[in-house]
Amino acid sequence: AQSVTQLGSHVSVSEGALVLLRCNYSSSVPPYLFWYVQYPNQGLQLLLKYTSAATLVKGINGFEAEFKKSETSFHLTKPSAHMSDAAEYFCAVSPMDSSYKLIFGSGTRLLVRP
Amino acid sequence: NAGVMQNPRHLVRRRGQEARLRCSPMKGHSHVYWYRQLPEEGLKFMVYLQKENIIDESGMPKERFSAEFPKEGPSILRIQQVVRGDSAAYFCASSLREGYYEQYFGPGTRLTVT
Repeated sequence: AQSVTQLGSHVSVSEGALVLLRCNYSSSVPPYLFWYVQYPNQGLQLLLKYTSAATLVKGINGFEAEFKKSETSFHLTKPSAHMSDAAEYFCAVSPMDSSYKLIFGSGTRLLVRP
Repeated sequence: NAGVMQNPRHLVRRRGQEARLRCSPMKGHSHVYWYRQLPEEGLKFMVYLQKENIIDESGMPKERFSAEFPKEGPSILRIQQVVRGDSAAYFCASSLREGYYEQYFGPGTRLTVT
């Protein structure tokens, strides 16, 4: 069964610093990959998705992620953190045999220090 | 265009009562998905429905849980005889088509069982 691992349940950065949130997936065939953001007491919002086109994917709010097949990784980055980026971030994979079924990682809570 | 709507946003039930969670998909969307988020965990797929059909309920507990998406009206997730372990956030998502189409999430219903 496919799975998603997010390293670090909490990540703390200073405002203006680089944001790096890690995601690794297990799959013999490159699946579709997603990053979602969840603000407190809200639903999930799609940041970006990888669908086997360009390996570097640009999303909303200045985020981007790079698909690396050799490392089975899809890490999320942003060059300069804003206070408004503080939220929970989820990496998800969409299996090839049941593409509608998103499999989520356990999430990483991003804290941004002033 | 209104997003995915869920109600109630917060629901408190005593052990043994029934919980009914409602989800209205985005306009034009006929595919609905339910996910459950336990505290400090990622979202877990529960069920995928199209109008009047359950397509995949592999993530649903075998007992006490049921879901429907009637021809008219919202999708309903029903939990009978709730127990404390059912306390969680329940998210509904909808998509325009099946497959690797973006799922749009509602704000969730937070169920607390006392």
